[in-house]
Formats: sequence, C-alpha cells, structure tokens
Amino acid sequence: DGGITQSPKYLFRKEGQNVTLSCEQNLNHDAMYWYRQDPGQGLRLIYYSQIVNDFQKGDIAEGYSVSREKKESFPLTVTSAQKNPTAFYLCASSGRDRTSPYNEQFFGPGTRLTVL
Amino acid sequence: AQSVTQLDSHVSVSEGTPVLLRCNYSSSYSPSLFWYVQHPNKGLQLLLKYTSAATLVKGINGFEAEFKKSETSFHLTKPSAHMSDAAEYFCVVSGPYTGGFKTIFGAGTRLFVKA
Repeated sequence: DGGITQSPKYLFRKEGQNVTLSCEQNLNHDAMYWYRQDPGQGLRLIYYSQIVNDFQKGDIAEGYSVSREKKESFPLTVTSAQKNPTAFYLCASSGRDRTSPYNEQFFGPGTRLTVL
Repeated sequence: AQSVTQLDSHVSVSEGTPVLLRCNYSSSYSPSLFWYVQHPNKGLQLLLKYTSAATLVKGINGFEAEFKKSETSFHLTKPSAHMSDAAEYFCVVSGPYTGGFKTIFGAGTRLFVKA
C-alpha cells in the first residue's frame, strides 16, 4: 500500500535533548512538509521541501531542523532550542497533478512529542 | 494575500440531521480549496477538493461542498450525520505565492454528533 509512515507514534524527551522524528513516503511525491499542531489549533508549517537536497523554512522553523537526502525521507529534528516542543507533529507529501498546480497533501498518522 | 476563516469552532448536530460547516476564503487568484477531516490522534484525510472545475464538489462519506466565488465561500455539507462523522474538519486554501505557492489551513471546526 502506498502512503506515509511516521515513527515513533509517541515520543518522550527530556529538556535539553534533541530528538528526530521520522517521515517516509512511497508515493513518489516530490514535495514533503512538516506541520505542528497544538490542542484546539490548526496546523502550522515548520519546514517544507519541494525537491531532494532542498528545503525551505515555514512559519515556525526556529528550534527545528530537517534534511532531504532522499526523495522518500524527510526527517525532522526538534532541537533543545525549541522552547515549547510538546505538540502533535504531522508529516505530509504532495505530488504533481495535471489538473491543478495546487495539489492536495497526503498526511501521515502523526507523532505526539511530550517533553518531560 | 490568502486567508481562510472557519466561521464556527464547534458545531453540534443530532444523528440523522444535516451538517453545515462554514468556510470563507480570501485569495487574489483562483485558488484550490480542500476539506480535510481529522479523527483524534490521527493524521488528516482528504474529504474533497475544488480545482476550478465543477463548483459543486462531491467527496467521500457523503460530504459535498459548493464553491461560491461571489460569496468567497466553500461550505461543507452532509444531508444526514452519522456518529462516525464526529471529528475535526479543516478548510484549506492553496494558491500562488511569491516564488511558488502557499497552503493555508483554517483553525478547524469540531463536529459533535449526538445520538
């Protein structure tokens, strides 16, 4: 089955630690995204990548880092510089569609990060 | 500039009654519009999308939405609610932006369905 996987589902971090969230897709999509979701709020874009070896900051990139070494993978590192990292993190991808340049995004199941 | 406003943070309906979730958007160009659903602790699932074809869009699970350019609205409807429809719904607009395109998510509407 094609789709997006995120791991782990739950992650606990001590203050001052860096942690890396995994995101893998087998949809052959060029673009991938990371979002943060806080209770009762919509999604906020952290980073996105439209092609391998290239990525751009989103609206709330401070305290986060990413890499895009492979088309299938877009890991997110939450660094100790992120002051309030407890949240639900969602990874998404999108591909090309001849009917529209603004294509829907496909989402993974999410990772819930809790800082202890 | 683009923006999207979901007019209700919470909507409560009884099972078997119609559902209306309201969304207004702002865009300088013809955008693409989407509705997603999110069940607790899950990812988002696409319900339907509008991409400048038919203005009445049918989606999964009996949902549909109508694009009204004059009202800049893209409201989501369903004739008869099921208990399984209880979830968070997001209206999303995507369109051109400097150097590429931008996708903006609404704040979400939580749908409650009473037995």
